[in-house]
Parts: sequence; C-alpha cells; structure tokens
Amino acid sequence: DIQMTQSPSSLSASVGDRVTITCRASQSISDYLNWYQQKPGKAPKLLIYAASSLQSGVPSRFSGSGSGTDFTLTISSLQPEDCATYYCQQSYSTPLFGQGTNLEIK
Amino acid sequence: EVQLVESGGGLVKPGGSLRLSCAASGFSFSYGWMSWVRQAPGKGLEWVGRAKSRTYGGATDYGAPVKGRFTISRDDSKNTVYLQMNSLKTEDMAVYYCTTEGAYCGGGSCHGFDFWGQGILVTVSS
Repeated sequence: DIQMTQSPSSLSASVGDRVTITCRASQSISDYLNWYQQKPGKAPKLLIYAASSLQSGVPSRFSGSGSGTDFTLTISSLQPEDCATYYCQQSYSTPLFGQGTNLEIK
Repeated sequence: EVQLVESGGGLVKPGGSLRLSCAASGFSFSYGWMSWVRQAPGKGLEWVGRAKSRTYGGATDYGAPVKGRFTISRDDSKNTVYLQMNSLKTEDMAVYYCTTEGAYCGGGSCHGFDFWGQGILVTVSS
C-alpha cells in the first residue's frame, strides 16, 4: 500500500511569509496528488489538483509542485485567512490523505 | 451551484446500523463519482469509499477499515448516494462527508474531491 508522509505536522508563520508544506509518497504516484485546506468545523476545500493545477476560485498565492514521490504546497505570501489545516491526498490508487499540517499565524 | 446535503446521522449503539443519505444538485449526478470521507473527532481525513458513475460501471470501492461492513449505493433517478453502515464500532464515530470526485477525469478514472457536503455526525456509543 502507498503511504503518504506530510511535514511538518504543524507550523507557525507570520503574515506575508512564504510557507511550504511537503508531502512524500512511499512510491511513485506520478502527478496524482491533491491538496486541501480545512478550517475548524468546516468541510475541506480543494486547493490544488494534479499536483500543480489551481482549483477554480482559489487565490493565486497557493501553488503546488512535484511529481513522482515528492510534492510541495506553497503559500507565497501568508494571509490571516490561511490559518487552517492542510492535507495532501494521493489519487493514484485507493485514495489516501496525509496526516495534515496545522498552520498557525504568529 | 453544486450542493451536497447529508442526512441520517445520529447516535447508534455498537453493533448497530445506520444509513446516511446525500442529496445532490447543481451538476449531472449520473456522471459523477461520489465518495464518502470521514473525520473522527480531532483526527485527520479518511476515505471511506466511492460509487463510480454508470459510465464506469457504477462500481464501488471501499477502504480497508469498512470493507464488508459498509455499502455504498446510488439512485441516479433521485440524485442521491447512500452509505449503509452495519456492525458499527466505536472507531466509526466521525463526521461523514459526502463528496464528488471529479476535479479531473481521464485515463479511466476521476481524481480530486472537488465538492463537499457540510458533513454529518455519527456517534457510536452504548
């Protein structure tokens, strides 16, 4: 089975910072990697699909990159409303989510 | 506007059964892959299972923790997908989300959970 390892599990950053979250698959998943944002008490929201495609309506400060086993979600300039938990998810085989990254604003 | 509205949640005893429903609108339901994703209190997201569209044979897939106990079905005439949960365990207690899996489709499959319901709580406790 494919395992997904997301890091860090939590981070704290200041408004305006560039933030990077990584996700590693235990085997190649091509570009079948998606990223989600979840705020407390709310359903997750798709940010990035196919590793680097921005979902409609998502601000352009969010971007994704990577292929094979190593992937990155980048927020180019952190905004207060980006405080949330972020999940990666592989769709190469049976869908599997990473453990999540809790992003706090300093 | 795509809307997914879950119903049927509540309190059930261990070993009991419950059926969740998800009423969909705003898209061509019969062509959509429908999944259930759950989230235990304070935990991460876990995929439960899916029902593919008729185009893909309407096949169902399940995550290992629920295989053999949960059944997903769909009624395209009612734009509704169901999750029948039997032999419930305390570890099945979670918020259950109905979601579409169609951010992009190609190569015989669809990917990316693009629309989500508000979620419904299932409590398993004696």
